[in-house]
Amino acid sequence: GESVGLHLPTLSVQEGDNSIINCAYSNSASDYFIWYKQESGKGPQFIIDIRSNMDKRQGQRVTVLLNKTVKHLSLQIAATQPGDSAVYFCAENYHERTTDSWGKLQFGAGTQVVVTP
Amino acid sequence: DTGVSQNPRHKITKRGQNVTFRCDPISEHNRLYWYRQTLGQGPEFLTYFQNEAQLEKSRLLSDRFSAERPKGSFSTLEIQRTEQGDSAMYLCASSTAPGPVRRNTIYFGEGSWLTVV
Repeated sequence: GESVGLHLPTLSVQEGDNSIINCAYSNSASDYFIWYKQESGKGPQFIIDIRSNMDKRQGQRVTVLLNKTVKHLSLQIAATQPGDSAVYFCAENYHERTTDSWGKLQFGAGTQVVVTP
Repeated sequence: DTGVSQNPRHKITKRGQNVTFRCDPISEHNRLYWYRQTLGQGPEFLTYFQNEAQLEKSRLLSDRFSAERPKGSFSTLEIQRTEQGDSAMYLCASSTAPGPVRRNTIYFGEGSWLTVV
């Protein structure tokens, strides 16, 4: 059926609380994962990435967790701020054995994060 | 500004006209990618280049679409005989070529919005 892409999952979080955004990826052969933040009318902005040989990576106020067993990725944002309000996308780099597919990203549906005061 | 640069940022065109978008990647990046994003969806891969060589084209890229990167620096994406279904944001991204250890983060530009009326 048709994708209901206009109705993004929404996460409402109070300013100062921690946010957790979840993503299920599709391909067990994917070897690189990226989280992007996209504000209205702008391009995706890199947040953090992780390779498949890791299960956790931390950045400034953000942590990415990778569970390859269940093909699940999560992004944790500590002390969420109003400026964190945006759509967040996870992307996987699908590794094809026969071609060099670096950068051929497959994106999830996105999660709208709304930070309330 | 040393990020990925795209222009024009917005283009309104009549159905049947041709349009061209330009992308200037981050200067040391030899990989350049084109994606398309419609409202409420994640970006979808269209094509990519390593230097001046076009390595792959998605099935989404009909014969009316052509991309070039003649000198391995900037790239153009041309859409001929535009249709209303071509209305979307066209995103350019760039990275270095993959290596065994180094992360080759993929950075996006701000996108070029196309509206076909």
